[in-house]
Amino acid sequence: EDKVVQSPLSLVVHEGDTVTLNCSYEVTNFRSLLWYKQEKKAPTFLFMLTSSGIEKKSGRLSSILDKKELSSILNITATQTGDSAIYLCAYSGGSNYKLTFGKGTLLTVNP
Amino acid sequence: GAGVSQTPSNKVTEKGKYVELRCDPISGHTALYWYRQSLGQGPEFLIYFQGTGAADDSGLPNDRFFAVRPEGSVSTLKIQRTERGDSAVYLCASSSERGDTQYFGPGTRLTVL
Repeated sequence: EDKVVQSPLSLVVHEGDTVTLNCSYEVTNFRSLLWYKQEKKAPTFLFMLTSSGIEKKSGRLSSILDKKELSSILNITATQTGDSAIYLCAYSGGSNYKLTFGKGTLLTVNP
Repeated sequence: GAGVSQTPSNKVTEKGKYVELRCDPISGHTALYWYRQSLGQGPEFLIYFQGTGAADDSGLPNDRFFAVRPEGSVSTLKIQRTERGDSAVYLCASSSERGDTQYFGPGTRLTVL
């Protein structure tokens, strides 16, 4: 069965720290990997990764995909309290383009 | 522009009742997805619409769950004879074409007492 595993499940850091969140996947028909940030209910889109080794950046956030290792990382530099959220990793594959999610990483940034 | 909207934001019902949850996708988006998220879990796929038709309903847990999208825009998720285990946040997402980025609505928190 296809699955996505995220680590760590939770993480507490201080403002200004840099964090790395991990996502590994086992899929039979990979198309893309996506990262979302979930603060209350609505997951908000961060990145979609389709090609291995190409880093995507948005401000202090960046992400990269490693198709050989079947994994992806999400980096957040100079963390702020507003970065506190659940970060969800999901892959898209198969013929229906549904997303299969991991359980998420709960990030808490303390002042 | 307007994002995905869902109504109601919260719904409390009693076991055995019928509920309808509404999703209004981003204008022009042809693909629409429903997911369900339980506490401590990532969202789980329920059903996918391409236009008016349900292209994949393999995630619906049983025949008490049904969804429609009669005009290819707004979708309604219908749950009959609700059970306490149906309590969760129901999320809707849409994308401009299948395979494109999915954008999520704020969800409906369903509580079955």
